[in-house]
Amino acid sequence: NAGVTQTPKFQVLKTGQSMTLQCAQDMNHEYMSWYRQDPGMGLRLIHYSVGAGITDQGEVPNGYNVSRSTTEDFPLRLLSAAPSQTSVYFCASSSPGRGTYEQYFGPGTRLTVT
Amino acid sequence: AQSVTQLGSHVSVSEGALVLLRCNYSSSVPPYLFWYVQYPNQGLQLLLKYTTGATLVKGINGFEAEFKKSETSFHLTKPSAHMSDAAEYFCAVSVITGTASKLTFGTGTRLQVTL
Repeated sequence: NAGVTQTPKFQVLKTGQSMTLQCAQDMNHEYMSWYRQDPGMGLRLIHYSVGAGITDQGEVPNGYNVSRSTTEDFPLRLLSAAPSQTSVYFCASSSPGRGTYEQYFGPGTRLTVT
Repeated sequence: AQSVTQLGSHVSVSEGALVLLRCNYSSSVPPYLFWYVQYPNQGLQLLLKYTTGATLVKGINGFEAEFKKSETSFHLTKPSAHMSDAAEYFCAVSVITGTASKLTFGTGTRLQVTL
């Protein structure tokens, strides 16, 4: 199993550009989520999904969109990038319905917005 | 709503000394508690977890943590620090509702191990 994979590893955007961060998992986990990590602030939840077709907002959703068309994939879209979105983004998955309460994290995407 | 407080953003210990990283949580329902470790430029790796049952939980790399409900604490310990333990450690609390397990993280503690 590859676990949770994320692409790209690094990305530089100009203010106003859009992009999609990809996340995929091969563990058949129903729960997937996106976090951003900023120095001194830990990880904060952006959006999450409890299954295909079901998404909801987390703590810091503004400026981000998600969709979940399959169990495996959970892309994060930045519609119009802003310097405040410079961060490291992590995708994670778990399966609380099957007793897997801990979340498995991807390696992260480091995003810089200039 | 739940929250996590990690006391000390930086902790420095000598190699071979006791490691103690503090975590206090707030939760309106019985919590699930986790410690994750992050090495430089990497993702988060689970060290250990408390869900139900035994309050002293053992994890990887010789770490353990004790869930103390009366103190709302879940401190992480290791009897003898090793240079390879240098990393950032995150405590997290989760409330499980059906198929959702939203994590709330503390701000992290960076552990430095010196010779």
